[in-house]
Parts: sequence; C-alpha cells; structure tokens
Amino acid sequence: DIQMTQSPASLSASVGDRVTITCRASQSVFTYLNWYQQKPGRAPNLLIYAASSLQSGVPSRFSGSGSGTDFTLTISGLQPEDFASYYCQQTHTIPVTFGGGTKVEIK
Amino acid sequence: QVQLVESGGGVVQPGRSLRLSCAASGFTFRTYGMHWVRQAPGKGLEWVAVILYDGTDKYYTDSVKGRFTISRDNSKNTVYLQMSSLRADDTAVYYCAKDQYTYAQVDDAFDIWGQGTMVTVSS
Repeated sequence: DIQMTQSPASLSASVGDRVTITCRASQSVFTYLNWYQQKPGRAPNLLIYAASSLQSGVPSRFSGSGSGTDFTLTISGLQPEDFASYYCQQTHTIPVTFGGGTKVEIK
Repeated sequence: QVQLVESGGGVVQPGRSLRLSCAASGFTFRTYGMHWVRQAPGKGLEWVAVILYDGTDKYYTDSVKGRFTISRDNSKNTVYLQMSSLRADDTAVYYCAKDQYTYAQVDDAFDIWGQGTMVTVSS
C-alpha cells in the first residue's frame, strides 16, 4: 500500500496567515493527489484534485502543487471558515489511501 | 442538486451483519464509480471499497476483504455496503462518495460525499 504522510499533524495560525501543509507519498503517485477539507461533524469537501487543479466553487486562496512523492497545499490568507482538518489522498493505486490529516486551529 | 444520502447505520453486536445504503440523486448514477469511506471516532479517513460504474469491478481495503461486499442497483440509483462478521474496530461513520468523472477507472477524486451514517459495533 502507498503510505501518505502529512505534516504537520496540527498547526495554529491567525486570520490572514499563509499556511502550508505537506504530503509525502511512499512511492510516486504522479499527480493522482487530491486535497480535502473537513469540518467537525461534516463530510469531507474536495478542494484540489490532480495535485494542482482547483475544484469548482473553492476559493482561489487555496492552491496545490507537487508531483511524484511530494505535494503541498497552501492557503494564502487564512479565513475564519478555513479552520478545519485537511487530508491528502492518493488515487493512483488501489487501495486508495489518505494522509493522517492536518488540523488547522486558531492561534 | 447532486446528493448522496446514506442510511442503515446503527448499533450492532460483534459478529453480526448490517447493510448500508446510499441513495443518489441529481446525476446520472449509472455512469459513475462509487466509494465507501469510513472514519472512526476522532480518527482520519479510511477508504473501504469501490465499485465501478457498471458494477463489473469491485475493490476493497484488506481489513474488510471477505467480510464486506459492495454492490449497486443502477435502476434504483443506490449503492450498498453489506457488512458481516462485524468487529469493534469497524465502528465508524461511513460515507459514500462518487467519482469526479464518468466511466473512471478508480483514479478520480471524490467530488460529492454523503452526510455519513454511524455504525457502532458493541456488545
């Protein structure tokens, strides 16, 4: 199975901050890498697909980059509604696997 | 609008069975692969199973192979997860989710998710 390692596991940030979350795959997933946001008690919501494509309806402050084994999710100008957990996911190989998640909290 | 609604969760004793359903609406169900993903309390997301758009191929995570069966009824716009020999570590919220694109081969993102249904395995 492809292991997905996210870092950090949690972070504290202020409104307006630039936040970067990293995701590393144990082997190449090319650009079959997606990012989701999840708020407490809610289902995950797709933010970024194919490593760098912004899902329709998602604010442009969210961006993704990377290929192969190393990926980054960046939030440029954190907003109050962005405090949530974020998960990366690889869909290159079955079984589909998720990173352990990054919780973004208010500083 | 595009919607997925799960049902069938509840409290079940270890070793027993349960069937989850996910009713789809607002899109051409028969052209999309469908997934089940679970989340244990306070934990991260775990992919469980996928069934391709026409039901011909199904794949599972190792921990549920031989115990869970994914199926679909394209005439009812519904995907199912039959769970048997349930264990305490199957306790989770179970979400269904759809592939982003039609006729995908299990490499798509999951663009629509249901609200989830809670399964608790306890004596």
